Amino acid sequence: NAGVTQTPKFRVLKTGQSMTLLCAQDMNHEYMYWYRQDPGMGLRLIHYSVGEGTTAKGEVPDGYNVSRLKKQNFLLGLESAAPSQTSVYFCASSRDLGYGYTFGSGTRLTVV
Amino acid sequence: SQQGEEDPQALSIQEGENATMNCSYKTSINNLQWYRQNSGRGLVHLILIRSNEREKHSGRLRVTLDTSKKSSSLLITASRAADTASYFCATAHNTDKLIFGTGTRLQVFP
Repeated sequence: NAGVTQTPKFRVLKTGQSMTLLCAQDMNHEYMYWYRQDPGMGLRLIHYSVGEGTTAKGEVPDGYNVSRLKKQNFLLGLESAAPSQTSVYFCASSRDLGYGYTFGSGTRLTVV
Repeated sequence: SQQGEEDPQALSIQEGENATMNCSYKTSINNLQWYRQNSGRGLVHLILIRSNEREKHSGRLRVTLDTSKKSSSLLITASRAADTASYFCATAHNTDKLIFGTGTRLQVFP
């Protein structure tokens, strides 16, 4: 009964490098989300998915791409990392909007 | 643009006291949710209140919703040191996503 699992938990990137953050959920949830959390900014939505094969832009999508090839997985990609992308990234899933979200434990990313 | 705004930004109380935090939003909602985040951890869902509900309870938590004022409050009764965390409200509108506020940092002193 893992819930939402994010990998990796920590990562340091150099400017211009690329990486993929993986989110996996075992609750058969349709909806999945990627948020970033910065001090004093709360959580801001990057991209989300309402089902396998679908993705949509959130509030701050620039510099990120996502894929949802399998229902249980939601990948967040950074093609060319920038220092402004230093943040804590959270993945969440939900049965639908009438239910609460289940969050992962986060990925702390530093871009130097 | 964030819909939910919590007030106060920070709150310090003694164990046993009640803690009240407020959330205001701008446009009509389907439901409003409250989450807790312990330092360095992910958010945990606490309670959901639908737009046609006015009050909801869960253990020591009491949530109220006033849609005419576009505001909600979260009351934690008989606070404990373990309640120390950040608390976020999140609003669901006629879209597929929640919008989170900036949170209230609650410190409960033993």
